Amino acid sequence: GAVVSQHPSWVICKSGTSVKIECRSLDFQATTMFWYRQFPKQSLMLMATSNEGSKATYEQGVEKDKFLINHASLTLSTLTVTSAHPEDSSFYICSARDPFSYGYTFGSGTRLTVV
Amino acid sequence: TQLLEQSPQFLSIQEGENLTVYCNSSSVFSSLQWYRQEPGEGPVLLVTVVTGGEVKKLKRLTFQFGDARKDSSLHITAAQPGDTGLYLCAGVMDTGRRALTFGSGTRLQVQP
Repeated sequence: GAVVSQHPSWVICKSGTSVKIECRSLDFQATTMFWYRQFPKQSLMLMATSNEGSKATYEQGVEKDKFLINHASLTLSTLTVTSAHPEDSSFYICSARDPFSYGYTFGSGTRLTVV
Repeated sequence: TQLLEQSPQFLSIQEGENLTVYCNSSSVFSSLQWYRQEPGEGPVLLVTVVTGGEVKKLKRLTFQFGDARKDSSLHITAAQPGDTGLYLCAGVMDTGRRALTFGSGTRLQVQP
């Protein structure tokens, strides 16, 4: 099956710094990837759709300048949280359509803690 | 407003009991998936249903997609402690939007 690798698994950063999260498709090419955010004991909320070679599409209420998405190749999408603040602390998960089934495959997630 | 409402939100049962989780919407979905998520990990796909009225069985789990493709259910027979986790329904809307829309989630706890 399709595998998506996400790094880092967890990161702690100081308020005001930037953090980059990588999402790689290991055994398939992904022209589109999705970034989700999940708060404790809640479901996943779509933040943005990452498109290879073009601008990402952000969901309403998601700040484009704070959450920078780059999808420079068919196997790599990155999410950079800029000038992070404690309220950005959350679990971030990437996903891509599984080309081998009707489903979607997810990365293992990144736990971001901003102190 | 959550497009996909799941019920119940939380369920604590004894090992061996049966349970059903519901996923409802006023929108039509071209396909619907059920995922299970462990703490600190990404969701793992359990099943995908694409045809209205479809029923799929995965060992002790039975999934059903509503005739109108607006709702789904997950039934677990003889629950085991290993079934404990967060169950999420998610669908691809019939509008052509590619991203998954997730349900509100059902947290299941099976006591030994």
